[in-house]
Amino acid sequence: GQQVMQIPQYQHVQEGEDFTTYCNSSTTLSNIQWYKQRPGGHPVFLIQLVKSGEVKKQKRLTFQFGEAKKNSSLHITATQTTDVGTYFCAPATDSWGKLQFGAGTQVVVTP
Amino acid sequence: DTEVTQTPKHLVMGMTNKKSLKCEQHMGHRAMYWYKQKAKKPPELMFVYSYEKLSINESVPSRFSPECPNSSLLNLHLHALQPEDSALYLCASSQDTGLAGTQYFGPGTRLLVL
Repeated sequence: GQQVMQIPQYQHVQEGEDFTTYCNSSTTLSNIQWYKQRPGGHPVFLIQLVKSGEVKKQKRLTFQFGEAKKNSSLHITATQTTDVGTYFCAPATDSWGKLQFGAGTQVVVTP
Repeated sequence: DTEVTQTPKHLVMGMTNKKSLKCEQHMGHRAMYWYKQKAKKPPELMFVYSYEKLSINESVPSRFSPECPNSSLLNLHLHALQPEDSALYLCASSQDTGLAGTQYFGPGTRLLVL
């Protein structure tokens, strides 16, 4: 079945620094969603990418879908303490839209 | 209203108890989901309901029994659970199943089985 690898699993960032989390698949993806889960919270939808090479921005967050639609990345610039949480990529695995969550990148921000 | 609500927020139960988790959404969504999430792990899909019918059961043990009384409500009935079933149980909904289905998650029920 489809395997999704998300790296790194843990990211310690100094406030103001940039970082990137990556999601890699062994198969071509139809689409991919990204979610953020704050400590003690629930996953919250961030973005959906559908097209090859697609790039979407949300303020300091930049999401990218690879040209081959086998990988995706989330880049955060000028990290703030509000960025703390776990970021999950979640490709749809079939026509039902069933999501396969990656292991997540847990982000810790130090002031 | 883009909210999915879940009750209770916390639940402690013994292995012989029967309890139910409840989920509600008023966004007119026709797909609803149950996920299980262990600490520091991603959510794992348990069940999918589409138009009030069970569409997907991810080989979940029969001690978990889902129910969809109507398009706004989703229940998860629990019976004879094991301590390893302790987890955060998340409900989610989306407008429909299918590739464009953005999922809205509820706050979850934190379950502890003693």
